[in-house]
Amino acid sequence: AQTVTQSQPEMSVQEAETVTLSCTYDTSESNYYLFWYKQPPSRQMILVIRQEAYKQQNATENRFSVNFQKAAKSFSLKISDSQLGDTAMYFCAFILVDGQNFVFGPGTRLSVLP
Amino acid sequence: GAVVSQHPSRVICKSGTSVKIECRSLDFQATTMFWYRQFPKQSLMLMATSNEGSKATYEQGVEKDKFLINHASLTLSTLTVTSAHPEDSSFYICSARMVSGGREKLFFGSGTQLSVL
Repeated sequence: AQTVTQSQPEMSVQEAETVTLSCTYDTSESNYYLFWYKQPPSRQMILVIRQEAYKQQNATENRFSVNFQKAAKSFSLKISDSQLGDTAMYFCAFILVDGQNFVFGPGTRLSVLP
Repeated sequence: GAVVSQHPSRVICKSGTSVKIECRSLDFQATTMFWYRQFPKQSLMLMATSNEGSKATYEQGVEKDKFLINHASLTLSTLTVTSAHPEDSSFYICSARMVSGGREKLFFGSGTQLSVL
């Protein structure tokens, strides 16, 4: 079975600074997708960024980028120039290419401080 | 981007009544929809996977007779909490899976806060 671990239950960062959220996962398969989702206080789940495991290049979406280390099964999220609106729960998620279910990590609560 | 509509956003009901929650994919066809339950400050707990035209697959520990799921069309899945009790009070979220051009994405509804008195 696949598992996703987020070792940082809570983190905080000063506005305009950079923060990195960690995520590790466990699978014996080689073809899968990885995601970071954000859940702000409104509780709406929002896709932040996605990565295909077959791609070596790290995904980037504006201020958000990932460090994907397939051999280490690590998928960290870097948020640059943090903004107050980035305050949210962040969930790392995983699904096999031919899989049925998304597996979510326990989440990291990020607070951006003014 | 793709939109998933979930209604109602909040419902308060008396113990013993049934509550239906709807999840619609507005601009794409979702062959698979998922229902999650989320407790305060916790992650999403998958309850069941709903495939259009077939019976839902429930996760271990989830009572299928209590949480009825119907996926009648490619754009609509419903979750009915039957004979609700206070312990069923929770935040329920649906999501719809989209595969387009080989790209896998999961879109979420806005959630339903159920409070059973």
